[in-house]
Amino acid sequence: AQSVTQLDSHVSVSEGTPVLLRCNYSSSYSPSLFWYVQHPNKGLQLLLKYTSAATLVKGINGFEAEFKKSETSFHLTKPSAHMSDAAEYFCVVRPMNRDDKIIFGKGTRLHILP
Amino acid sequence: NAGVMQNPRHLVRRRGQEARLRCSPMKGHSHVYWYRQLPEEGLKFMVYLQKENIIDESGMPKERFSAEFPKEGPSILRIQQVVRGDSAAYFCASSPPVVGTGGYTEAFFGQGTRLTVV
Repeated sequence: AQSVTQLDSHVSVSEGTPVLLRCNYSSSYSPSLFWYVQHPNKGLQLLLKYTSAATLVKGINGFEAEFKKSETSFHLTKPSAHMSDAAEYFCVVRPMNRDDKIIFGKGTRLHILP
Repeated sequence: NAGVMQNPRHLVRRRGQEARLRCSPMKGHSHVYWYRQLPEEGLKFMVYLQKENIIDESGMPKERFSAEFPKEGPSILRIQQVVRGDSAAYFCASSPPVVGTGGYTEAFFGQGTRLTVV
């Protein structure tokens, strides 16, 4: 069975400090993995995606994520948080199988402290 | 290529009325997903459809809710006899089908329909 686990429902960091949002997945098939961001009262925007190319993926707004197959993880990081990063972040897996269903994690709300 | 179009953006219904939410996927996309987001909560999967087929409706309430994605036209999420608890943002996403083995592309989201039941 396919699943996505975002280990933290809330993360708080100070402005200018690193951000780490954790995501673990379970998939019987080689998956594609994504991170989306949702700002308050807005739609969802794709931050970055992994599709079996380079394991370190760079996205928009300085975010990046590393695919680690041995750890079944796809954690999202940013070296220095900005106030505008405050939002909800979703880790998403799309397994390579007939079902082809996209699966969302429950989300992590990122708070940026001044 | 226009993005995923949802309409209306805002919908107000009185208790007991019907709500119809429309989603036009991106051109060439045959997969549609509907999600509900209650105030201050995360996205909750409702239903996954491909053209003329419901693939997974495990997130749909058993009563009053239905979804379709006909061969022609938009996908429709229908809520009958709405109640106050149905007030939420409803998001639609679309994606293309499996293509070869080059990895899948992401889902593209609409801006959502915000349903208010008064």
